[in-house]
Amino acid sequence: QITLKESGPTMVKPTQTLTLTCTFTGFSLSTSGVAVGWIRQPPGKALEWLALVQWDDNKPYSPSLKNRLTITKDPSKNQVVLTLTNMGPVDTATYYCAHSPVGSVGLYDYWGQGTLVTVSS
Amino acid sequence: DIVMTQSPDSLAVSLGERATINCKSSQSVLYSSNNKNYLAWYQHKPGQPPKLLIYWASARQSGVPDRFSGSGSGTDFTLTISSLQAEDAAVYYCQQYYSSPKDFGQGTKLEIK
Repeated sequence: QITLKESGPTMVKPTQTLTLTCTFTGFSLSTSGVAVGWIRQPPGKALEWLALVQWDDNKPYSPSLKNRLTITKDPSKNQVVLTLTNMGPVDTATYYCAHSPVGSVGLYDYWGQGTLVTVSS
Repeated sequence: DIVMTQSPDSLAVSLGERATINCKSSQSVLYSSNNKNYLAWYQHKPGQPPKLLIYWASARQSGVPDRFSGSGSGTDFTLTISSLQAEDAAVYYCQQYYSSPKDFGQGTKLEIK
């Protein structure tokens, strides 16, 4: 059974760096073909794809956020970490991590419940 | 980057009627080597994570009712709900996973009339 759970701060101040951790069970990021991605949804807006990390450490990013985003994996801990620098009010959103099955990188069949991050001074 | 555009932005359909949502990609998401369309549909309800409904444009995810169906190829795709149920009220997104960034459409809000 695959599960994912996001953890991190619920509030950050403008210009701070956000660090979110996705802890998962039921699969290994060392398995060929597997990936974990991050997606966010600002209040009242659409889903926005952010980044993903593949089993082979390939890491595509959203072009609009590439300069601020870093994604890393720790297969030994079953974790994926996302950092977003220089946070601003527009980064207020629910952040989700999700699992991509083998052979379908970027398709998301299992999702975490999401974590709401608010940017406020 | 492949831009995903959905239509309409919102629609209201009566219970038991058919609902149709369209999705157009700015480039083909059909991979010629395996003849698969890298296109998915998700259902998103408030307070819940998105739920995968359809992948490879027309394959239904396990556990998804058969009133949900996907069709299309290349750049034009459709999600059809054949007989709308109350629990189908949600926002629906298409997504391409052909190339990065794996972007979503802007969403279509489906309401019960």
